[in-house]
Amino acid sequence: KAGVTQTPRYLIKTRGQQVTLSCSPISGHRSVSWYQQTPGQGLQFLFEYFSETQRNKGNFPGRFSGRQFSNSRSEMNVSTLELGDSALYLCASSFDSRNTEAFFGQGTRLTVV
Amino acid sequence: DQQVKQNSPSLSVQEGRISILNCDYTNSMFDYFLWYKKYPAEGPTFLISISSIKDKNEDGRFTVFLNKSAKHLSLHIVPSQPGDSAVYFCAASGGGGADGLTFGKGTHLIIQP
Repeated sequence: KAGVTQTPRYLIKTRGQQVTLSCSPISGHRSVSWYQQTPGQGLQFLFEYFSETQRNKGNFPGRFSGRQFSNSRSEMNVSTLELGDSALYLCASSFDSRNTEAFFGQGTRLTVV
Repeated sequence: DQQVKQNSPSLSVQEGRISILNCDYTNSMFDYFLWYKKYPAEGPTFLISISSIKDKNEDGRFTVFLNKSAKHLSLHIVPSQPGDSAVYFCAASGGGGADGLTFGKGTHLIIQP
């Protein structure tokens, strides 16, 4: 059974640009959550999608958005990039929205210069 | 306000001995707890979880104990092996707000030969 796949693995962007990250969950999983990991703040919840609907959103500005497709694949978009957006972005998939067993992808390392 | 706390940034244990990683939480609405292991530049790997209706869950060398009255959980690894050296994160779900996982800052476990 394939795991959670995130693309790309590494990305370098310039301030002011926008970026789209992709996540393919484990087959059969309908919930996809996104997290940001930085050295100072640790792992922080961005948002969760379940059956193409955003169920929950963490405390991040509106520049961070996402969507989920009918095949459960999810994309995350960050507009008007800031230096502070440099982080490891992690996607987690789970069968239901309770996150009782959430499996993470390898992450996308975003560097904003 | 940090709802999940791992107060030991690092822990050094001799190979073959027991490793005990601790985690405290403040939100009494959390009803599910998970432990993850993480290597640098990789996504967290799910280890073991426990529901708030239980006080112990065991899986091979890993055992998680939950003390609801003290809002405390711990992960025991017996016996500790060199491959266990990693950062361990405690996470909780069902906090009543955003339903994503709330993570502690992590404990870096170092297994000494």
